[in-house]
Order: sequence, then structure tokens, then C-alpha cells
Amino acid sequence: GAGVSQSPRYKVAKRGRDVALRCDSISGHVTLYWYRQTLGQGSEVLTYSQSDAQRDKSGRPSGRFSAERPERSVSTLKIQRTEQGDSAVYLCASSLYPRGWQPQHFGDGTRLSIL
Amino acid sequence: QKEVEQNSGPLSVPEGAIASLNCTYSDRGSQSFFWYRQYSGKSPELIMSIYSNGDKEDGRFTAQLNKASQYVSLLIRDSQPSDSATYLCAVNKRDSSNTGKLIFGQGTTLQVKP
Repeated sequence: GAGVSQSPRYKVAKRGRDVALRCDSISGHVTLYWYRQTLGQGSEVLTYSQSDAQRDKSGRPSGRFSAERPERSVSTLKIQRTEQGDSAVYLCASSLYPRGWQPQHFGDGTRLSIL
Repeated sequence: QKEVEQNSGPLSVPEGAIASLNCTYSDRGSQSFFWYRQYSGKSPELIMSIYSNGDKEDGRFTAQLNKASQYVSLLIRDSQPSDSATYLCAVNKRDSSNTGKLIFGQGTTLQVKP
């Protein structure tokens, strides 16, 4: 398909383990974003990467979240030393250009449960 | 104060009525505003974007932006049961690198009753 796809759709992990979530963006899109969505907090941006930058520009102060871009249209969100509070839906989005007016297209998300 | 605020609802309207969804934001420098519709377990789907003051119409949807009041709304005319979903207001918060990161409201759950 031509949309953003994420895998896995569901992930269960034990507290303290590291997890990796994958996003395949729309071909040609330059910027990839990761958001976390919870009932209590709503949706918040975690990190983003532009163009071919391999490393993310994380907005998360804890530093446990990072994103890598092994290929132009692929991003991997890594969460280190997971906590129960990390249980949420993780959404990936991409946009054609890294500009605020560009609409973002979302994947269906990965639902992460930390036991 | 949250950066983007919405009433979580649920907002219940009868089929055929106008549904009015409201959103306020705190960063006066915000320049881009989006409404996303999200069905349970599905991805947010962009339905409207608006960048300048006034109204923008697209089919049954009208977005209204008032930057002076820091207020953006979405009107859905002739509401249908299929419009029942959570509507997310998203704002592009200005930052030095204009990265396009979106700040979302909590979302308003809309229920359209047949």
C-alpha cells in the first residue's frame, strides 16, 4: 500500500526490557515523527528525524527514547529500560517536507503493553 | 494550562444535525492547524487543515480559525452515524527549526445517533 505502515501492531514486553518498533513511511517523505498516544495524556510527540539523518532529534528529556533511520523510508523507535508508564499506542507519521504547514500521514500504530 | 485544549465529550448529536467541535491553543505564534478524525484502533486521518483566519469549507466540513482568540473549530453539517469518532485538534507549534511537530489536544468524542 501507499500509506504509512507500522509493525508490530501489538507488542507485550516485561518491564525493564528494551523494545523496538518499526515504521515504513510513504515513499519520498522526508520527515518521520513518532508520537505516543494514551487515554490520559492524549498524543504527544516523542521524536522526529529529517531526511537521511540516522539519528533522531528527541524531544524526550529522559533519553530512553531514540529513533534511527536505517533507510530513508524506515524508522525504528527504540525504548530502553521500559517502564509500565510506557504502555501506550505509538504512532508514526511522515510528511513530504519538514515544514509546519505540511500535513502528516499516520500509521495505525503499535499498541505496547508493559507488564 | 495545556497547549491545545479540547472538550473530551462525548458530544452527542442526532443524525442530520450540525456538530460543532472546538479547540483552543496557547502559543500565539502557531501557524498551522489541523483536524484529524480517528476511529477506534485506527490511525488519525487528516480531514482539514487551515492556516489563515476565517472559514475553510470542504464538503460537509468547515474549519474556522480565529488567531486573535486562539481558537479553531470544526463544523460537520448533516452529521452521519459514520462521523462518530474521536476528533483530534493538532497545532504546529512554532519552534526555531520549524520541524513540523504537532501538538495534539485530548480529542473530542463525537457520537451521531440515528
